[in-house]
Amino acid sequence: AQSVTQLGSHVSVSEGALVLLRCNYSSSVPPYLFWYVQYPNQGLQLLLKYTSAATLVKGINGFEAEFKKSETSFHLTKPSAHMSDAAEYFCAVRQANDYKLSFGAGTTVTVRA
Amino acid sequence: EAQVTQNPRYLITVTGKKLTVTCSQNMNHEYMSWYRQDPGLGLRQIYYSMNVEVTDKGDVPEGYKVSRKEKRNFPLILESPSPNQTSLYFCASSTGAGANVLTFGAGSRLTVL
Repeated sequence: AQSVTQLGSHVSVSEGALVLLRCNYSSSVPPYLFWYVQYPNQGLQLLLKYTSAATLVKGINGFEAEFKKSETSFHLTKPSAHMSDAAEYFCAVRQANDYKLSFGAGTTVTVRA
Repeated sequence: EAQVTQNPRYLITVTGKKLTVTCSQNMNHEYMSWYRQDPGLGLRQIYYSMNVEVTDKGDVPEGYKVSRKEKRNFPLILESPSPNQTSLYFCASSTGAGANVLTFGAGSRLTVL
């Protein structure tokens, strides 16, 4: 069975500071990994996904994530936070022949002016 | 525009009054799924469908029913809603398993009094 752990339910950063959101997965084989963002009162929007083509994945809005098999991690970063990055972020995992997408508990990001 | 449409977006109801949340997608996706989102728990899968007339339970199916009579529609039925079903519900669809991206609807916020 696969599972996803997001370390830290809330993260507060200053505008212009680094954003780092942590995600670890447990799976017998490397899965496909996704980061989604949920802005207030909206649905989930895909930020980026890992599909084994490259370990460093670039997404929308300046976000990127690095897949580290040895650490079973897929942490999300953005070098410089903007006020518009305030949202909830979800890491999710899916196996190659599986339809089910399993989510972490989510991390809420607050950006301070 | 490719999208997943849910209705209603907001609903307040009373215990025991049957209700249906509709979900429709215009992308010809085979796979559709319902999730509920609760604070601190992330998104949990309720039911999913891999094609017309093919449905199966997710992680939290108790108290819910679904049907898939047409490829584009996947309604969620609460036969006798209870207060513990107060939640934010999302419908999602994708063209297949693995790396295929799940597209989400805007969400339906349900309150059961």
